[in-house]
Amino acid sequence: KAGVTQTPRYLIKTRGQQVTLSCSPISGHRSVSWYQQTPGQGLQFLFEYFSETQRNKGNFPGRFSGRQFSNSRSEMNVSTLELGDSALYLCASKLTGGTNEKLFFGSGTQLSVL
Amino acid sequence: SQKIEQNSEALNIQEGKTATLTCNYTNYSPAYLQWYRQDPGRGPVFLLLIRENEKEKRKERLKVTFDTTLKQSLFHITASQPADSATYLCALEGKSSGDKLTFGTGTRLAVRP
Repeated sequence: KAGVTQTPRYLIKTRGQQVTLSCSPISGHRSVSWYQQTPGQGLQFLFEYFSETQRNKGNFPGRFSGRQFSNSRSEMNVSTLELGDSALYLCASKLTGGTNEKLFFGSGTQLSVL
Repeated sequence: SQKIEQNSEALNIQEGKTATLTCNYTNYSPAYLQWYRQDPGRGPVFLLLIRENEKEKRKERLKVTFDTTLKQSLFHITASQPADSATYLCALEGKSSGDKLTFGTGTRLAVRP
């Protein structure tokens, strides 16, 4: 069974640009969560999608958005990039939207904003 | 506000010893607590989950305790090996299905041969 796949692995953008990151969950998993990881803040929750609906959202500005498709694949978009958006963006999937489930993480997309 | 605290300083221990990592939380009533391992440049990997009504959980050389009175979890690795060197993250989840899994900032463990 293939794991969680995130593309691209590395990305370099300049301030003001926008970026779209992609995540393919494990086959059969319907919940996809996104996290931002920086050295100082650790993993910060961005949002979770389940069956194409956003179930939960973290404390990030509206420049951060996401969506989930009918095949459970998810995309995350950041508009008007700022230097502080440089981070490792991690996607994680789980089987259902319930509690008591472990998350399966991808290797992440390392975004550098210059 | 809710807070999850892990020791930000790296833990350095000798191979063969037991490593003990701490996770403290405040203003939280977690239903579950999970521990993950993260290697540099990779996503976290799930290790163990413990429920609020469980005191202890074991898996091979790993042991987790959960004290809801002290609001603390301890993560132990016995007979540690250099391959155990990584960052270890604890994560808490509330009781509602809409609650998100919230992570601590992690503690880096270095096991020297």
